[in-house]
Amino acid sequence: DAGVTQSPTHLIKTRGQQVTLRCSPKSGHDTVSWYQQALGQGPQFIFQYYEEEERQRGNFPDRFSGHQFPNYSSELNVNALLLGDSALYLCASSLKDTQYFGPGTRLTVL
Amino acid sequence: QQQVKQSPQSLIVQKGGISIINCAYENTAFDYFPWYQQFPGKGPALLIAIRPDVSEKKEGRFTISFNKSAKQFSLHIMDSQPGDSATYFCAASSTGNTPLVFGKGTRLSVIA
Repeated sequence: DAGVTQSPTHLIKTRGQQVTLRCSPKSGHDTVSWYQQALGQGPQFIFQYYEEEERQRGNFPDRFSGHQFPNYSSELNVNALLLGDSALYLCASSLKDTQYFGPGTRLTVL
Repeated sequence: QQQVKQSPQSLIVQKGGISIINCAYENTAFDYFPWYQQFPGKGPALLIAIRPDVSEKKEGRFTISFNKSAKQFSLHIMDSQPGDSATYFCAASSTGNTPLVFGKGTRLSVIA
């Protein structure tokens, strides 16, 4: 049984560009949550998707948007990138309360 | 407002010793408390979790102690090994697949 997968592993972008990150949940999981982890910090909740709808959102600007597909996979989009968006972006999938994290995508904004 | 406070920030333990990491929460609606282990460049891996209906849960060398009245919980790693060297995060959430709120993490180093 494959765990949570994310792509790409690493990404380098310049300020003002747009980026799309992808996540495939564990088999049987219907909920996907996205977190941002800055260096040396704990993960911060961005938003959660369930049944292709954004169910909850953390304190992140509208530049951060997402999507969930019928197969439960998900995308995170960030527009107008800022230097401060450099971080590890984590996807977590869940069926009930237990969240399982993927390996993350390391985004560097230059 | 930091809803989950974790201490210490870093910890050095001798091989074979006991590692203890503490967390405190503020939101009484929290009823699910997991601990995650994270190695550099990797995603957090679920280690062990507890709910308030029990005061202690043990899985192998890892034990969670929970004090509902004090709103505190802690992770004990018995017989700590160099392979346990990682960053540990406590977290909390409410029933219903709500977002996890993480502590700031504890960097554990187990030295031989």
